[in-house]
Amino acid sequence: QKEVEQDPGPLSVPEGAIVSLNCTYSNSAFQYFMWYRQYSRKGPELLMYTYSSGNKEDGRFTAQVDKSSKYISLFIRDSQPSDSATYLCAMSDTGRRALTFGSGTRLQVQP
Amino acid sequence: GAVVSQHPSRVICKSGTSVKIECRSLDFQATTMFWYRQFPKQSLMLMATSNEGSKATYEQGVEKDKFLINHASLTLSTLTVTSAHPEDSSFYICSARGIDKMNTEAFFGQGTRLTVV
Repeated sequence: QKEVEQDPGPLSVPEGAIVSLNCTYSNSAFQYFMWYRQYSRKGPELLMYTYSSGNKEDGRFTAQVDKSSKYISLFIRDSQPSDSATYLCAMSDTGRRALTFGSGTRLQVQP
Repeated sequence: GAVVSQHPSRVICKSGTSVKIECRSLDFQATTMFWYRQFPKQSLMLMATSNEGSKATYEQGVEKDKFLINHASLTLSTLTVTSAHPEDSSFYICSARGIDKMNTEAFFGQGTRLTVV
């Protein structure tokens, strides 16, 4: 079993839809949770960063962490074609260690 | 967010030659940088953790003599692929984390696409 599980998709939604992306993990020591967006042949771009449990909102993006269920989510409201990319969840137990990544979910927002 | 610059973005080299990839944190200091490799449509695979002023820590299965990592300063780490072969062709990405304990986000470079012919 992988430490971080993420549905690879692809996930196809119409423009304006609410998108829900999720990851589950097995390591209860994880405390730092991040979501990255990666366009083809580019480095990952940090979207959201959350420490421990709770919700965080930034514009159209909302990140949720439920440590009791070992489950994290990223919601994208009013999705746009420019949101089409691969979304990677990542997490670590300390601020110094490398991130453990999910496999990434490919999102396609249809105009 | 913070900026991590990676250079070059693309490189093509002949089999048997060495290639150096640079990773710089432009507006913050990073005691730790990470090097990843990514195959098409796959997630990032950690190759090694680079600590400023000390030897890099390599993940299992990664040849340290083939992938030389140097972290000479708080803003620069380099990855040298030595005696490159076609199977080394891949997308290499570096990442850096800030030294401030409140600044634990990890920022990534743009990636380097290496093609060995």
